[in-house]
Amino acid sequence: AQTVTQSQPEMSVQEAETVTLSCTYDTSESDYYLFWYKQPPSRQMILVIRQEAYKQQNATENRFSVNFQKAAKSFSLKISDSQLGDAAMYFCAYRKSVPGANNLFFGTGTRLTVIP
Amino acid sequence: EPEVTQTPSHQVTQMGQEVILRCVPISNHLYFYWYRQILGQKVEFLVSFYNNEISEKSEIFDDQFSVERPDGSNFTLKIRSTKLEDSAMYFCASSVLGGNTGELFFGEGSRLTVL
Repeated sequence: AQTVTQSQPEMSVQEAETVTLSCTYDTSESDYYLFWYKQPPSRQMILVIRQEAYKQQNATENRFSVNFQKAAKSFSLKISDSQLGDAAMYFCAYRKSVPGANNLFFGTGTRLTVIP
Repeated sequence: EPEVTQTPSHQVTQMGQEVILRCVPISNHLYFYWYRQILGQKVEFLVSFYNNEISEKSEIFDDQFSVERPDGSNFTLKIRSTKLEDSAMYFCASSVLGGNTGELFFGEGSRLTVL
């Protein structure tokens, strides 16, 4: 069974600084997708970044980047130059690489506070 | 920018009552989903729906739950006889066909409180 673990229920970062959110997962699959979703207060979850397991290169989206360690089953999110708008709940998620199997397995989330 | 909309944003109901949560997915999306999040717990998959039938469901999605796409735009989740443990935030999501990118677009959620 697939499980996703986020061991940091809460994190804080000073504005303009860098923060890393941790995520580990368990799977017996060799190909899959990993995601970080952001959920601002009272707003919908939006996709921040995705990683295909078959790609060795770490995904990057502007100030957001991941450190994907496939052997260690680790998928951390780094936010550089943190901004007040980055304050949100962040969810790590896993999806099988099977056409049509779009359901996601989520972690419990990390609440990020950005300190002005 | 198109988005998934959900109604109601919050519903309070008595145990044993039927509840219908409504969702309007993004118009060109063909896969639809319901997830739920019990307070303090992780977001959990309930069901996926494609081509007017359930394509996958979790063990949570028992006979008390049903989904329907009654009119080509709405996607509903019905809970026939609510229990206290059904209290949660329910998220609708949609995605395009063949979405190997796996990008789901979520609504803001409907909070269900069962008394």
